[in-house]
Amino acid sequence: QKEVEQDPGPLSVPEGAIVSLNCTYSNSAFQYFMWYRQYSRKGPELLMYTYSSGNKEDGRFTAQVDKSSKYISLFIRDSQPSDSATYLCAMMIKAAGNKLTFGGGTRVLVKP
Amino acid sequence: AAGVIQSPRHLIKEKRETATLKCYPIPRHDTVYWYQQGPGQDPQFLISFYEKMQSDKGSIPDRFSAQQFSDYHSELNMSSLELGDSALYFCASSQRDREETQYFGPGTRLLVL
Repeated sequence: QKEVEQDPGPLSVPEGAIVSLNCTYSNSAFQYFMWYRQYSRKGPELLMYTYSSGNKEDGRFTAQVDKSSKYISLFIRDSQPSDSATYLCAMMIKAAGNKLTFGGGTRVLVKP
Repeated sequence: AAGVIQSPRHLIKEKRETATLKCYPIPRHDTVYWYQQGPGQDPQFLISFYEKMQSDKGSIPDRFSAQQFSDYHSELNMSSLELGDSALYFCASSQRDREETQYFGPGTRLLVL
């Protein structure tokens, strides 16, 4: 059983729709929660990170953390074809090596 | 803005050969992390360094070793290569006390034949 679970998709949405992504985790010690975007054969690109439960917004992106349910989400508003990529959630325990533990990634396809 | 630099970008080796991957962190970043991403898989943590000292170790085979140098660049040395070592190897860097913002390089694609 992986510590971080993520639906692999693919998730196909029309351009302009809201993309909703989520991850669940089992280790309650995780403190930081990140979302990365990875295009094919490229390095993961940090989109957002959060620490506390609640919402954090950055442009078209909103990250949501519910520590009581061990559930995190990423919403992408007004999706564009250029948002088509694999989205990886990642989690970290501060000062316990600071290594990132990733979910398996969700492939997203935004159709024009 | 400057990003993490990795070299080489592509590498083809035969079984039992040795490979060295290099990573140059973002300027003023003092912490380096190595991750391995197999085909269709998520990145798996291998090892990390802060101020030339190993700070954490993950599922890194004994055949692999790594170090960080005084200019903060890092090298991952892989010996007795196996077919299963074929993967994307990413280096990430961060500043101390900002480990939640790890920035990844473009990766080195290693193919072992």
